[in-house]
Amino acid sequence: NAGVTQTPKFRVLKTGQSMTLLCAQDMNHEYMYWYRQDPGMGLRLIHYSVGEGTTAKGEVPDGYNVSRLKKQNFLLGLESAAPSQTSVYFCASRGERPFRETQYFGPGTRLLVL
Amino acid sequence: EDQVTQSPEALRLQEGESSSLNCSYTVSGLRGLFWYRQDPGKGPEFLFTLYSAGEEKEKERLKATLTKKESFLHITAPKPEDSATYLCAAILNSGNTPLVFGKGTRLSVIA
Repeated sequence: NAGVTQTPKFRVLKTGQSMTLLCAQDMNHEYMYWYRQDPGMGLRLIHYSVGEGTTAKGEVPDGYNVSRLKKQNFLLGLESAAPSQTSVYFCASRGERPFRETQYFGPGTRLLVL
Repeated sequence: EDQVTQSPEALRLQEGESSSLNCSYTVSGLRGLFWYRQDPGKGPEFLFTLYSAGEEKEKERLKATLTKKESFLHITAPKPEDSATYLCAAILNSGNTPLVFGKGTRLSVIA
């Protein structure tokens, strides 16, 4: 039982390049989330999904796209990376039932955009 | 605007010196509140969920409490291994941002 895993752990991109961050969970969770964490800003929600095939925008969705083709995977895409997207990205997941809202986080992906 | 504010931003304690971290919130509809611990270079690790004013949860040297306007994380006789950033997050009833995080309190416990 690995919980929430993220790949890659670290990546350097040039401005304008694209990439996809992968999040996988083995807890059979319905809900999955992508956050970014920046110094002095705290964790901010980018996009989330309430089930396979569904996605929704969070607080800071611009410049990102997501897909949830399989229940266990949630992909975050950057089509044309910008230096402002330099950040640490965290994926999280949780179950569906009321009072089981604890979000479990992955180890993070550190992204540097030059 | 829904907001969660944590204080202090940083706290330095001697080993064994008890203290409290504060999390105050102004949100439109609160279902509950999470506390997480985050070590450098790692993802947040779940500590507690609180749903009702007056509720308390304990784990080792940590105790979390909730009132109608704020939550406290009390640390009793801390050890150096308690050094980390502690995050609180409000669980909202609705909206596009179901969790609103504070910026965290960075705790250092010196032996």
